[in-house]
Amino acid sequence: GDSVTQTEGQVALSEEDFLTIHCNYSASGYPALFWYVQYPGEGPQFLFRASRDKEKGSSRGFEATYDKGTTSFHLRKASVQESDSAVYYCALGPYQGGRALIFGTGTTVSVSP
Amino acid sequence: DTTVKQNPRYKLARVGKPVNLICSQTMNHDTMYWYQKKPNQAPKLLLFYYDKILNREADTFEKFQSSRPNNSFCSLYIGSAGLEYSAMYLCASSRTGRTQYFGPGTRLLVL
Repeated sequence: GDSVTQTEGQVALSEEDFLTIHCNYSASGYPALFWYVQYPGEGPQFLFRASRDKEKGSSRGFEATYDKGTTSFHLRKASVQESDSAVYYCALGPYQGGRALIFGTGTTVSVSP
Repeated sequence: DTTVKQNPRYKLARVGKPVNLICSQTMNHDTMYWYQKKPNQAPKLLLFYYDKILNREADTFEKFQSSRPNNSFCSLYIGSAGLEYSAMYLCASSRTGRTQYFGPGTRLLVL
């Protein structure tokens, strides 16, 4: 079945460091790709999405580009802040025939001042 | 406003007892979802309502029930809680095929 793989389980950074979280997917169709962010005590918040090959999604300084060739949607931010400490989820869907989001296992990002 | 509310935020239940979790949204979304999230695992879809039609995942079909008395509310019901039900339960809503918005979750602990 369809799946999402996030390579990094935990990432520790200092403020102003560059962040990359790798996300690869496997899907039989042509899904939309999403990034969600979850802060402590809250539910996942929608960050942004991309729906077609080479489309770039972005929000709050984060960005990712849909790459159908490498089946990837890597999250990047040039300069992180302590307030970016959170869990980040890559997800795919919904697409024709299904309505569920399929999530990766999440990446915990800790940014120290 | 993209607020999804969940009640209660924390729930302690005894093995064998029923559990009822509530979700509400005021965005007039036609679809509402329930996900289960366990530590170090991805959120997993349990079921969703599209309008009044309930769709349950095959592997959780007999474990969870749900009702949607109106467009704004949706419940998740466990008839007899077991230890394996301890998890975070996330409710989300969306318009068909559009971005899903999540509530803060209900943390369920079964003892």
